[in-house]
Amino acid sequence: SAVISQKPSRDICQRGTSLTIQCQVDSQVTMMFWYRQQPGQSLTLIATANQGSEATYESGFVIDKFPISRPNLTFSTLTVSNMSPEDSSIYLCSVVSGPHPEKLFFGSGTQLSVL
Amino acid sequence: SQQGEEDPQALSIQEGENATMNCSYKTSINNLQWYRQNSGRGLVHLILIRSNEREKHSGRLRVTLDTSKKSSSLLITASRAADTASYFCATDAKGGTSYGKLTFGQGTILTVHP
Repeated sequence: SAVISQKPSRDICQRGTSLTIQCQVDSQVTMMFWYRQQPGQSLTLIATANQGSEATYESGFVIDKFPISRPNLTFSTLTVSNMSPEDSSIYLCSVVSGPHPEKLFFGSGTQLSVL
Repeated sequence: SQQGEEDPQALSIQEGENATMNCSYKTSINNLQWYRQNSGRGLVHLILIRSNEREKHSGRLRVTLDTSKKSSSLLITASRAADTASYFCATDAKGGTSYGKLTFGQGTILTVHP
């Protein structure tokens, strides 16, 4: 299994500002995933972060709005740019690790509120 | 894209009772997983069932999969107050090339009263 540290755990931000969320894993992993969970909703994959290459974004998500960095095999950041109230969500970092790569391990999430 | 749908949306039971949650999906899958989320925090993997399996057990959890109906159920037996959480099913896409890219259902909020 993998232990994932995600921070901040929550933040309240003003419209138009940006927030960077950090995700630290206790072991080297090839792929890291960023999910969004809007209030009362399910999880939606934002992008896959690969070390040494640009992130791969899912339909409806763009790099200008959600830039991602992946400087090494244990760390990634997701920035939510030019925020609006519609960006208020829980953002979750996740990885696959170990002998069962189908399973996702999740960080504790970042609860973002945009005023 | 496929999307899992779960029912009920919310379930309230007494401690000791069994809880059953259902999940439906739309396209062919390699496997189906169930996750638990406490109070809007990170998800925890509970159990995985492969497309060629029909039933799987893990402790007090029992999962069934009916690929002909594209549906799954999660049964929690002898529930405890600590089981109070949201439960999500998640599927991958058959033939998909990347692990970790899951489609999650809408979730069932389970409340177990002591």
